[in-house]
Amino acid sequence: QKEVEQNSGPLSVPEGAIASLNCTYSDRGSQSFFWYRQYSGKSPELIMFIYSNGDKEDGRFTAQLNKASQYVSLLIRDSQPSDSATYLCAVNTVRDDKIIFGKGTRLHILP
Amino acid sequence: KAGVTQTPRYLIKTRGQQVTLSCSPISGHRSVSWYQQTPGQGLQFLFEYFSETQRNKGNFPGRFSGRQFSNSRSEMNVSTLELGDSALYLCASSLKGGSSYEQYFGPGTRLTVT
Repeated sequence: QKEVEQNSGPLSVPEGAIASLNCTYSDRGSQSFFWYRQYSGKSPELIMFIYSNGDKEDGRFTAQLNKASQYVSLLIRDSQPSDSATYLCAVNTVRDDKIIFGKGTRLHILP
Repeated sequence: KAGVTQTPRYLIKTRGQQVTLSCSPISGHRSVSWYQQTPGQGLQFLFEYFSETQRNKGNFPGRFSGRQFSNSRSEMNVSTLELGDSALYLCASSLKGGSSYEQYFGPGTRLTVT
């Protein structure tokens, strides 16, 4: 089992709709969870981080964490064409104190 | 506050040569981590430096090395370059060491080995 798994996509969502991105992880001891956005040819940009079970909202973005089921998700409300990018999920591993990145989900917002 | 800076942004080297990449973290950040990003493998952790000490390392050969200076700036060196070393090399800075804290990436250095 891969340490951090994401659906590679592409995920196509109409403009104005909610985009839902999911990520599962294997280390039950993981405590820190991050979402990065990466535009083509650019470096990853941190957009959300969450440490506790439940939801965390920041503007149009909501991160949801469910430690019992070992998944974390990112919701993007009122999706805009500028949200089209690859979204990377990252999780810390307690075993060796590293941040492991998923391979990312490509999101395409349809105008 | 200025972000993470990396130099050079682009580099073309020949197989067998060596290369040194530089990273300046966000002011006040003491941890610098290095990653290699390729289309096939995604983002892979190389090593982390904190307070001038290598705190952690990934599964890369000894040709990949790094160091950190007292001002928290970090350099990464790759010796005896191979074609497979062609990648985007990213550094990320964090306020504290370890994997629990948010990391902020620099723009990256695109290395092409011919």
